[in-house]
Formats: sequence, structure tokens, C-alpha cells
Amino acid sequence: DAGVIQSPRHEVTEMGQEVTLRCKPISGHDYLFWYRQTMMRGLELLIYFNNNVPIDDSGMPEDRFSAKMPNASFSTLKIQPSEPRDSAVYFCASSWGNRGRSPLHFGNGTRLTVT
Amino acid sequence: SQQGEEDPQALSIQEGENATMNCSYKTSINNLQWYRQNSGRGLVHLILIRSNEREKHSGRLRVTLDTSKKSSSLLITASRAADTASYFCATDQGGAQKLVFGQGTRLTINP
Repeated sequence: DAGVIQSPRHEVTEMGQEVTLRCKPISGHDYLFWYRQTMMRGLELLIYFNNNVPIDDSGMPEDRFSAKMPNASFSTLKIQPSEPRDSAVYFCASSWGNRGRSPLHFGNGTRLTVT
Repeated sequence: SQQGEEDPQALSIQEGENATMNCSYKTSINNLQWYRQNSGRGLVHLILIRSNEREKHSGRLRVTLDTSKKSSSLLITASRAADTASYFCATDQGGAQKLVFGQGTRLTINP
């Protein structure tokens, strides 16, 4: 099992540009989560999907953020336009099952720097 | 908002010593999980404890849960340099699917 795969590993962009982060979850997992990690705010849940359907996007900070999961093996998180305060490490995680009993499997993250 | 809060924020000990980290949370839970994060990597699941369990072991790890105090502890025995990492607790806020993570404890094992 290759684990959760995220790309790119690092992204440097200028303010105002569009950024797209990508995630391939573990095959067979039915939940997918997007988290953001910063020193100030720690790990924040942005959005999660169940069977490709967004369930809770209450953590998405602004309309500039959007996430999609067109199929069971691919998800994107898009920021348009990007701002310096979006600089963070963005993690994708997947799991099988529900009710908080299932361990999350994390990718190695995308470090985003917006200048 | 953060559900769990780890204590201490940072811990530095000598190799071979035991390390204890604590986690407090605010709302009722069904399960509590502990994760490790090495520098520059994603989080890795260590252990899950259910609300009706008081203690759980996995290798050199021992987790306790006190639901009356809304707290949990993670004990790593006979620490090794490879245990150097940040450790996070995560709770399910009463059975919700989404996990909420604490701020983490940064553990340093000195050789």
C-alpha cells in the first residue's frame, strides 16, 4: 500500500495566484479529510468527504477555498486567489469507517508559501 | 477550535528515561487517539482508546483515559532517540467522524 499521496510537496507562489493541492487517498477508504497546520493555530480541519460527498466544510476559512472529490481516488483543494496568510502545511488524510473509531492515515503534506 | 490540549508543550529527556504527555479535552468523547509526527512528515496513528477503557498498551506505549477528568496520558517507556517527534491527541467530540487535534507535545530524546 503506497499510503496517502499528496502533490506537490512544496509550493511557492505569489499573492493572488491560484493554488491547487492534490491528494490520492488509500484505496478502499471512504473518508477523506483536509487539514491545515500552522504554528499559531495547530491542526485545523478544513473539510471532509464521505464516499466523495462533502459532509462538513465548516472549517474552510473563506470562499477563496474550495475542495472537490470527483472520484474515490482523487481530491483537490484549491485556493483562489492566494494570500500570504494561507502559508501553511496542508495535509490530506483518509480512513475507513466512521464514528471516530478509525485511525486517520496522513499524507506527508504540501508546504505552501505565498509571498 | 482546539478540543484537546497537550501538556507539556515541550519535553526533553535522556535516552532510556520514560516520557509522559498529558491531554485534556472539553466535551464528551467516544474515542481518543494519539498520533506522532516526525519533522516534515505527516501524522502517524499510534493508539486508540475507547471511552469505556481506562488503560491500553502497545509495545512501549501506555495510554490511560479518565473520562471523569476529561484527560488522557501517553507514557513512552525506555525512550529512544527515534522517539523524538511531536505527539498529538485527537478526540471525536462525542462520536462525530471528524477528529479534533490538540496543539501537541514536542518530545526530544537526548542521546
